[in-house]
Amino acid sequence: SQQGEEDPQALSIQEGENATMNCSYKTSINNLQWYRQNSGRGLVHLILIRSNEREKHSGRLRVTLDTSKKSSSLLITASRAADTASYFCATDGSNTGKLIFGQGTTLQVKP
Amino acid sequence: DAGVIQSPRHEVTEMGQEVTLRCKPISGHDYLFWYRQTMMRGLELLIYFNNNVPIDDSGMPEDRFSAKMPNASFSTLKIQPSEPRDSAVYFCASSFGSGGANEQFFGPGTRLTVL
Repeated sequence: SQQGEEDPQALSIQEGENATMNCSYKTSINNLQWYRQNSGRGLVHLILIRSNEREKHSGRLRVTLDTSKKSSSLLITASRAADTASYFCATDGSNTGKLIFGQGTTLQVKP
Repeated sequence: DAGVIQSPRHEVTEMGQEVTLRCKPISGHDYLFWYRQTMMRGLELLIYFNNNVPIDDSGMPEDRFSAKMPNASFSTLKIQPSEPRDSAVYFCASSFGSGGANEQFFGPGTRLTVL
């Protein structure tokens, strides 16, 4: 079964607005990662947050992690048309060396 | 660095044929992963290697699938015989250090169509 589940499945916003995507997972984790996938391309790593961190920033990206609720959120501020892509969260489980990916959120940013 | 290289980028074959997908990881990376992506099942991990040794192949669908990593710079995923339900995009990824704790770098994928 999927470890991570993203919500919403699809999101459509106007350029300049903020986009928030949520991820819930089932078992305890050491790390949670977010990836972006443009149509027809491979996934690109965005940010990694460790279980002892609550918030992390990278440019226009802000990731939060709440281990008590087993959830994470990805916020993209001041969105651009180029942010149109699918976004995936991935969790590492228990030091297995691998990631389990959620189903992803498809974000459309209209110019 | 050229990143993770996969070939071919597109493959169309007929049911029953053997298919071989190839991957060259980023030099120096010690973990290599094979994923399959479909609309229905999302992104699934098939198998991963550490220092050329298969560590977890629990995601390999069935015996028709096999993967090898003869050296640090090359891996193959073979499907024999192929079936229409194998149609998907197959990604190879590599990482330096455990793939759970470090960034994975993905290749562009191979889009496989089995007729």
